[in-house]
Amino acid sequence: DAMVIQNPRYQVTQFGKPVTLSCSQTLNHNVMYWYQQKSSQAPKLLFHYYDKDFNNEADTPDNFQSRRPNTSFCFLDIRSPGLGDAAMYLCATSRDLQETQYFGPGTRLLVL
Amino acid sequence: AQSVTQPDIHITVSEGASLELRCNYSYGATPYLFWYVQSPGQGLQLLLKYFSGDTLVQGIKGFEAEFKRSQSSFNLRKPSVHWSDAAEYFCAVDPPRGTASKLTFGTGTRLQVTL
Repeated sequence: DAMVIQNPRYQVTQFGKPVTLSCSQTLNHNVMYWYQQKSSQAPKLLFHYYDKDFNNEADTPDNFQSRRPNTSFCFLDIRSPGLGDAAMYLCATSRDLQETQYFGPGTRLLVL
Repeated sequence: AQSVTQPDIHITVSEGASLELRCNYSYGATPYLFWYVQSPGQGLQLLLKYFSGDTLVQGIKGFEAEFKRSQSSFNLRKPSVHWSDAAEYFCAVDPPRGTASKLTFGTGTRLQVTL
C-alpha cells in the first residue's frame, strides 16, 4: 500500500509556465519535505513543513513555493520554471523531525 | 557543517560476490545515519538506519551496515549480491536530537551487477 504518493509521476511544462506538483501521505506524519534531485546528483532539500510551520532552506530560489492545506497533502509550486529546474522532485514525510523519512516515488519534471 | 562522503562513484560486482559501499561523515557528534537505495526513475527506499545501540544494524534485502565511531564511517555490506541490487545507493546523515534537523545525502554510489 502506497504511503507517500506523488502525482503526476511525469510532468512536462513550458518555460515560464507555472506548474504544481502534488504529494499526499497516508501515514499521518507531522513533517513533509520537498527535495530536488538533478541527474546523477544527491537529493537537495528545498523546504519542509512541520505541521503548518513552513521552513525554507536558505538557498532555495524564490521561484519555488509550497502549500500544505492539511496534514495529508503538500504541494510544490514552481512559479516560472526555467530549463535548470528540470529534475526529479521527491516528497518525503516523517513522524517528527529527526525521525526516519519515507520517500514517495518522485515526479520527474521536464521543462521545454 | 555536516557532510557525507561516498568515495566510490561507481562500483561493479559480479552476481553472488560480496559488496561493501563506503560512507564517511563529518560531524561533531554522532549523527543519525541512513542508507537509502534508488532504482532508476524511482524514489528512495530506506534500507537501514542507525540511531544508537548495537553498531551493526540489519536492514532489508539482506543488507547490513556497521557504524564505526573511530573512523566516522557507516559502510553498507551485503554478503551475496543479486542482479536486482543494481541501483544507486545513498548514505545520509541527520544531526542528533536537539539540533536543527537536516538530512544530508552523500553523492551516491551507482552499483552495477554483472551476471
